[in-house]
Amino acid sequence: TQLLEQSPQFLSIQEGENLTVYCNSSSVFSSLQWYRQEPGEGPVLLVTVVTGGEVKKLKRLTFQFGDARKDSSLHITAAQPGDTGLYLCAGARSSGNTGKLIFGQGTTLQVKP
Amino acid sequence: SAVISQKPSRDICQRGTSLTIQCQVDSQVTMMFWYRQQPGQSLTLIATANQGSEATYESGFVIDKFPISRPNLTFSTLTVSNMSPEDSSIYLCSVEANYRDRIYNEQFFGPGTRLTVL
Repeated sequence: TQLLEQSPQFLSIQEGENLTVYCNSSSVFSSLQWYRQEPGEGPVLLVTVVTGGEVKKLKRLTFQFGDARKDSSLHITAAQPGDTGLYLCAGARSSGNTGKLIFGQGTTLQVKP
Repeated sequence: SAVISQKPSRDICQRGTSLTIQCQVDSQVTMMFWYRQQPGQSLTLIATANQGSEATYESGFVIDKFPISRPNLTFSTLTVSNMSPEDSSIYLCSVEANYRDRIYNEQFFGPGTRLTVL
């Protein structure tokens, strides 16, 4: 059972376009992270959201945590080739903090110049 | 953030052999995790390794196949035993950030070990 449904799984767009990646679950999370991974490297933490309805911005990236803390979205404005990579959402379950994260399936983003 | 290194970065191994992957952190951390990842896909947690206790394995992973050591707060090893081609994957270690309240559950990852089993 995939507890975090991430969509889309693949996205190929032109430089300058906008895009949104979604992460949805029926479970409540105490926190949710977004990571970006490039080939040959480990995932790198972009942001953590912990409060329902929270919105965080990182340059052209906007992250939102759902009011019920069950879903999140990542919006990229005017995508650049440097945004290319694998984007992963990951959540920590609110019941029992074991430190373990549940990962979404990942979104492979390709931004063409 | 923590700086994490892994050795080896990649290896090609013969079926039936074992490989030990090392994970070194530049600061003391309580919780370390080992993951497996197929290229371009998501991460699957193998086990949680806390210093001073036995590793906790996830469903589908057993200690005989993936023995883990955690001798101190900055180091851990994962051994992939009696390898088969199905074990070909990227193996990643991660640590939980210590500098924030644990509510954040943030993890920092090593660069990974790319294993190919022939």
